[in-house]
Amino acid sequence: SQTIHQWPATLVQPVGSPLSLECTVEGTSNPNLYWYRQAAGRGLQLLFYSVGIGQISSEVPQNLSASRPQDRQFILSSKKLLLSDSGFYLCAWSVQGWADGYTFGSGTRLTVV
Amino acid sequence: DAKTTQPPSMDCAEGRAANLPCNHSTISGNEYVYWYRQIHSQGPQYIIHGLKNNETNEMASLIITEDRKSSTLILPHATLRDTAVYYCIVRVGGSQGNLIFGKGTKLSVKP
Repeated sequence: SQTIHQWPATLVQPVGSPLSLECTVEGTSNPNLYWYRQAAGRGLQLLFYSVGIGQISSEVPQNLSASRPQDRQFILSSKKLLLSDSGFYLCAWSVQGWADGYTFGSGTRLTVV
Repeated sequence: DAKTTQPPSMDCAEGRAANLPCNHSTISGNEYVYWYRQIHSQGPQYIIHGLKNNETNEMASLIITEDRKSSTLILPHATLRDTAVYYCIVRVGGSQGNLIFGKGTKLSVKP
C-alpha cells in the first residue's frame, strides 16, 4: 500500500534561518507531488506541484522553493525564513492529478520566531 | 475549474444526519463534485465524489441536483469525530490541474 511520510512534525525556527522540509512517498511510481500551506485561521493554499523529477510549478510568488531530486521525494526550502512563513505545511501525492486520490501527509507546523 | 459556495459554519447534534450544501452553478459537463474534510491539525481526507448520479460509500452520501448546480453531502449519523472543515470542490476528474481548496464549511457536531 502507498504511504506518505512528512517530517518534522513541528519546527520552531528564527527569522532569517534556512528551512528544509522533506516528504517521501512509498508504494507508487511517478506520483504527482504537492506542497500546501495553511496559515493560522486561513484556508489551504497550493504552493508548488511536481509531475516528475526536476519539474516544479509554483502557484504563488513567495520566499520558498521546492525541489524533486528523486521520483518519490519532494523538498520545500527557504534560504531565509520570514515571520509570514509560519503555518501548517502539508505534502500530498496523487496519481496523475486524479482528484479523488489526493493523499496528504500528517503535516509540519512551522513557527518562525 | 468551477467555483463553489458553501456556508462558513454549521452545527449538528450527535447521532443526527448532517447535511452540508454546496452551490456550483457554473459547473461544466465534464466536472465532478468532490468532497474532502480536514480534521483539526491533520491533512485533508477524501470523502466521496460524483458526476451526475447520487453516490454512497461507507462514509457519506452525495446528492447532486438534476441540473448539477448544487449538491449536498450527507453524513447519516454524525459523531463527535466528524467535527471538521468540509470542502466541496469541482473539477475535471483526471486533469493535470491541481486540487484547489476554498474556505469550506466548519461542521461542529455537538453532544
